[in-house]
Amino acid sequence: QVQLQESGPGLVKPSETLSLTCTVSGGSISSYYWSWIRQPAGKGLEWIGRIYTSGSTNYNPSLKSRVTMSVDTSKNQFSLKLSSVTAADTAVYYCARLSLVFGAFDIWGQGTMVTVSS
Amino acid sequence: DIQMTQSPSSLSASVGDRVTITCRASQSISSYLNWYQQKPGKAPKLLIYAASSLQSGVPSRFSGSGSGTDFTLTISSLQPEDFATYYCQQSYSIPRSFGQGTKLELK
Repeated sequence: QVQLQESGPGLVKPSETLSLTCTVSGGSISSYYWSWIRQPAGKGLEWIGRIYTSGSTNYNPSLKSRVTMSVDTSKNQFSLKLSSVTAADTAVYYCARLSLVFGAFDIWGQGTMVTVSS
Repeated sequence: DIQMTQSPSSLSASVGDRVTITCRASQSISSYLNWYQQKPGKAPKLLIYAASSLQSGVPSRFSGSGSGTDFTLTISSLQPEDFATYYCQQSYSIPRSFGQGTKLELK
């Protein structure tokens, strides 16, 4: 079955760029939307954005000026870059697949903790 | 942006209880409403999509209802493994948004 795995640095300095990659295994990345979602410790879920395998993107307006998503179908991966990070960006970051019907997040990665600190 | 509001924020219940969690959208989202269960240290798990469709592999004690702005998640008979936090989420428009969560605790 399809599995997702996030990877990237667990510690990022303030004002720098957070970079994460999600690797899709057990199936093709093609013909789906893929999302990034984050969750600060003890808090709720925040949708960051989504990318289609064509490269088309939609971002949360609250983060849009700092977010870039990309996809590499040859590697079955998609990525997140979040620039000018602050302590408020410290969170567990999840990648997830959007189902073809009704767009629910039907498959999630295990999540990766990213701390912004000098 | 569509705001999602869940109630209650926390709930104490016992094994075997019937439990209902409510989610309200700030505008009509038709049936584009999904429910997730999250246990500590784990990723959320999809339970219900399209307001009332049970995700494959999810026990039938979970059910969802509603349309427009008001939705409910019902657990017909709580099991020990159901104590977790539950989130609703709208997939009607961008940006996608989640409710603040309902923490279901053992009484």
